[in-house]
Amino acid sequence: DVKVTQSSRYLVKRTGEKVFLECVQDMDHENMFWYRQDPGLGLRLIYFSYDVKMKEKGDIPEGYSVSREKKERFSLILESASTNQTSMYLCASSPTSGGPTFYSTDTQYFGPGTRLTVL
Amino acid sequence: AQSVTQLGSHVSVSEGALVLLRCNYSSSVPPYLFWYVQYPNQGLQLLLKYTTGATLVKGINGFEAEFKKSETSFHLTKPSAHMSDAAEYFCAVRPNNAGNMLTFGGGTRLMVKP
Repeated sequence: DVKVTQSSRYLVKRTGEKVFLECVQDMDHENMFWYRQDPGLGLRLIYFSYDVKMKEKGDIPEGYSVSREKKERFSLILESASTNQTSMYLCASSPTSGGPTFYSTDTQYFGPGTRLTVL
Repeated sequence: AQSVTQLGSHVSVSEGALVLLRCNYSSSVPPYLFWYVQYPNQGLQLLLKYTTGATLVKGINGFEAEFKKSETSFHLTKPSAHMSDAAEYFCAVRPNNAGNMLTFGGGTRLMVKP
């Protein structure tokens, strides 16, 4: 089974702190994603990576950055946390047969999520 | 650009009753369509997906969905609800000619009454 793990289930931080959310997948997937989930808004894509050291902005990248130094690990960074970044953060991964312009019918596999509260 | 609308943020059914969760999408190109389920305190799990071929798609746990191009819809159904179906359900769309990024609807929370 594909396994996507996230470093914390619950996290409480203070405004202005630098926050790292870690995601690891064990299936050698090329693609990894970070979403935030808010009631009534569904999931919104923050950043996407299709290869090591490669990244693309999603719909709401402002206030976030990402790092992908190894294929299995994709980190989301909040440089200076703010209260409006209180949310559930979900990581996902998926395989692909080619680069970002090749479509893939493969599924995105999700981690359990990290509920971040910024005070 | 594509968008996904799920009608009804909350749906309540009795155990044994029909489940119908609605999803409409807009997309400039033929899309791939997905339904995901999220059980309490868990990540999302794929229920079913439509890519090409037969428009009626069967998924896990007795769910199915039908792609209707003329109505731009991909509604999720199950003939008989079970208590264990209580969860949040998300419809998602991806253009079939570009990338791997999904656009999600706002979600529908399904409640099942005994």
